[in-house]
Amino acid sequence: EVQLMESGGGLIQPGGSLRLSCAASGFTFSNYAMSWVRQAPGKGLEWVSGLSGSGGSTFYAVSVKGRFTISRDNSKNTLYLQMNSLRAEDSAVYYCARGRTPCSGGTCYREFDYWGQGTLVTVSS
Amino acid sequence: DIQMTQSPSTLSASVGDRVTITCRASQSISNLLAWYQQKPGKAPKLLIYKASNLETGVPSRFSGSGSGTEFTLTISSLQPDDFATFYCQHYNSYPYTFGQGTKLEIK
Repeated sequence: EVQLMESGGGLIQPGGSLRLSCAASGFTFSNYAMSWVRQAPGKGLEWVSGLSGSGGSTFYAVSVKGRFTISRDNSKNTLYLQMNSLRAEDSAVYYCARGRTPCSGGTCYREFDYWGQGTLVTVSS
Repeated sequence: DIQMTQSPSTLSASVGDRVTITCRASQSISNLLAWYQQKPGKAPKLLIYKASNLETGVPSRFSGSGSGTEFTLTISSLQPDDFATFYCQHYNSYPYTFGQGTKLEIK
């Protein structure tokens, strides 16, 4: 059974840093592109960042580029999102999501078939 | 970036009704469009991929159509479990973007 479980959320002051993790199980993690998607309270979905199965290709939304870094450790079946210079508008539930079909390297465009339960990040003083 | 515009933002309907939600892309995305259903406090669920392909396990009352810039999600006969918020999402290129959502309410 495919499972994705996020962790690392919490309350952080503006300007601070936080690292989110997404532990994956039930599939060959390195074969799949992964993404982070966030949802501010009462708002819609916003794609944040994605990367290829190998981790060699990374992509970011304009709103987070230069502040957030996506990475993965395929030996640990874990996806990460390092978030620096956090702002109040970064407050949201952060979901990790899997691209539906395998894509080990390069740039692959995929819909998301599995999502984690989300982890809440609150940026406030 | 490609912008996705959904309409309507809110839709009131009754059990048994046929409903259609529209999603427009600011430029052609071929058929690289997905539809998701989200219930309060839950992660989104994939319904349709590549504009018209039904995800495994999704009831056949859901269907999608369109290509290029115009897409629709249709629910042929609303069931009580269908009331939720629906989002379209393009994956033609990075950055991916979602529509603003359509909240389907019970009339």
